[in-house]
Amino acid sequence: GESVGLHLPTLSVQEGDNSIINCAYSNSASDYFIWYKQESGKGPQFIIDIRSNMDKRQGQRVTVLLNKTVKHLSLQIAATQPGDSAVYFCAENILIQGAQKLVFGQGTRLTINP
Amino acid sequence: GAVVSQHPSRVICKSGTSVKIECRSLDFQATTMFWYRQFPKQSLMLMATSNEGSKATYEQGVEKDKFLINHASLTLSTLTVTSAHPEDSSFYICSARDLVTEKTDTQYFGPGTRLTVL
Repeated sequence: GESVGLHLPTLSVQEGDNSIINCAYSNSASDYFIWYKQESGKGPQFIIDIRSNMDKRQGQRVTVLLNKTVKHLSLQIAATQPGDSAVYFCAENILIQGAQKLVFGQGTRLTINP
Repeated sequence: GAVVSQHPSRVICKSGTSVKIECRSLDFQATTMFWYRQFPKQSLMLMATSNEGSKATYEQGVEKDKFLINHASLTLSTLTVTSAHPEDSSFYICSARDLVTEKTDTQYFGPGTRLTVL
């Protein structure tokens, strides 16, 4: 299940099941969104991105959905594998005073149970 | 894909000493590199934007005299943590933006540097 609190939100799913990770972003002017996967002790790894003129984009086993009306982003991972266990971050690209910056969400720890 | 490296991968230093971390784009040129800090179980927080040939732009609350950034070439940016203290212990991650690709807002991340200050 999913829990939110003082600790990193967590999501546990059975191997082979599908998982959905959600993210709320803050800036309605954001035009580009990215999902990153971070394994312990490593840097973020690009998974998939989507621009604000789209509401869905698919990759290999992953799908990103964008709902601009409620400023919500989701990452769907199909047929999860043990290697999918990691922390997943959404990030929004914001233009501030002429400079583009990435603002990261708090992250969700995904655990795949065998 | 574009590769970004960091050196060292981990460093332990005594309180009061300075530590330099290097960020290199290996197969592309980057006019802009970014430095992030990540505390345990937290998200990445942007510290500063490093621009080749000019001064870095620091985020609010980040001391520019403590975190010195130098972006001397299109493939190298360095972050120096001066007079490090235990509260500076963190995971420092850099990213770089590829000049040439049409997706100019794509950032490629390095593997991170674990700094521990005793």
